[in-house]
Amino acid sequence: EVQLVESGGGLVQPGRSLKLSCAASGFTYSNYVMAWVRQAPTKGLEWVASISTGGGNTYYRDSVKGRFTISRDNAKNTLYLQIDSLRSEDTATYYCAKDPGITGADYFDYWGQGVMVTVSS
Amino acid sequence: DIVLTQSPALAVSLGQRATISCRASQSVSISRYNLMHWYQQKPGQQPKLLIYRASNLASGIPARFSGSGSGTDFTLTINPVQADDIATYYCQQSRESPPTFGGGTKLELK
Repeated sequence: EVQLVESGGGLVQPGRSLKLSCAASGFTYSNYVMAWVRQAPTKGLEWVASISTGGGNTYYRDSVKGRFTISRDNAKNTLYLQIDSLRSEDTATYYCAKDPGITGADYFDYWGQGVMVTVSS
Repeated sequence: DIVLTQSPALAVSLGQRATISCRASQSVSISRYNLMHWYQQKPGQQPKLLIYRASNLASGIPARFSGSGSGTDFTLTINPVQADDIATYYCQQSRESPPTFGGGTKLELK
């Protein structure tokens, strides 16, 4: 059974940093592109970033470029999202999501339960 | 970015057909591939993939869900609607980066 379990969220002051983690199991993690998708309270879904199987290629939405860093550790079956210079508009539930493609199909067949990030002073 | 437009809500009776539409600001089809996907999200839960590439049923999804469309116009059909189907439904395109989602259609009971 595919499982994605996020952690690392919480209440953070504007301008501070946070690192989210996603522990994957139930599939050959290193074979799949992975992504982060977020959802602001009462809002819709927004793709944030994706990373290739080996981690050498990363992709970001324009609004987070330079502040967010997606990475992965294939030995630990774990996906990460480093978020720097947090802003109030980053407040959202962040979902870890598995892409069904080895090269990136850019849709998501499994999702974690999500982790909440609240940016407030 | 490709903008996907969905109606905010749809009221339906149990046992009836629900048709949820999604319109893209430009074509999301390449050759024979229609790069539109559908998700279901219940309150407090993560999204679940229902349909991929416009008409392919995801693993474990009941056959009362189906998808159709090409180019800029796509439809998710639920027939017949069951109580467990009350949720918000999102379309998502993968034709161009960034992948974008529609605003969601909340399926409500009439």
